[in-house]
Amino acid sequence: ETGVTQTPRHLVMGMTNKKSLKCEQHLGHNAMYWYKQSAKKPLELMFVYNFKEQTENNSVPSRFSPECPNSSHLFLHLHTLQPEDSALYLCASSQERTSGPLYEQYFGPGTRLTVT
Amino acid sequence: AQSVTQLGSHVSVSEGALVLLRCNYSSSVPPYLFWYVQYPNQGLQLLLKYTSAATLVKGINGFEAEFKKSETSFHLTKPSAHMSDAAEYFCAVTGGGNKLTFGTGTQLKVEL
Repeated sequence: ETGVTQTPRHLVMGMTNKKSLKCEQHLGHNAMYWYKQSAKKPLELMFVYNFKEQTENNSVPSRFSPECPNSSHLFLHLHTLQPEDSALYLCASSQERTSGPLYEQYFGPGTRLTVT
Repeated sequence: AQSVTQLGSHVSVSEGALVLLRCNYSSSVPPYLFWYVQYPNQGLQLLLKYTSAATLVKGINGFEAEFKKSETSFHLTKPSAHMSDAAEYFCAVTGGGNKLTFGTGTQLKVEL
């Protein structure tokens, strides 16, 4: 595997279900991100992890729970979601540095989530 | 704080014609700017980035963008459109941290 992979690619879940999204990066990066992409809206940054530590929680509801066990893996645990949570969830990674030009983020293909 | 505005949610061009996708930014600090492309059922792929070096930035697939501070713009161009360029394009900005702010995207359609 190369780049950033995400599983599953598609997920349909009921509002009472619990499921998890998985992201794995094979790039040796030290920062990982979750984004939500909804139709006709800008990408919304949800969470940022730098060196496995959460550094950003962009006012995300508690029904979304991230987990970053190591710098290569990132999970998004889902429970009691609402229909408006249906979206494409994108994972990204980058190499962070304290100064100098910013490194770009590399994105996975996303998980298309449908909440019924 | 940073923000980007992409003018035109849909742009249609003929194959072989010039592609121009507009992006204007707002930033309280010197910005870093990016263009990403998203093909159907795929994630975002970096086209090019501006990081305060050359103002004319060349990217992949024949795309380029010019940073114009006076106009707060970072428009994306390609001299000759190809059918394979049909996709959604996103402009993004950051002030130096790893928090990117994206525009709402421009869907590019290429017609024969």
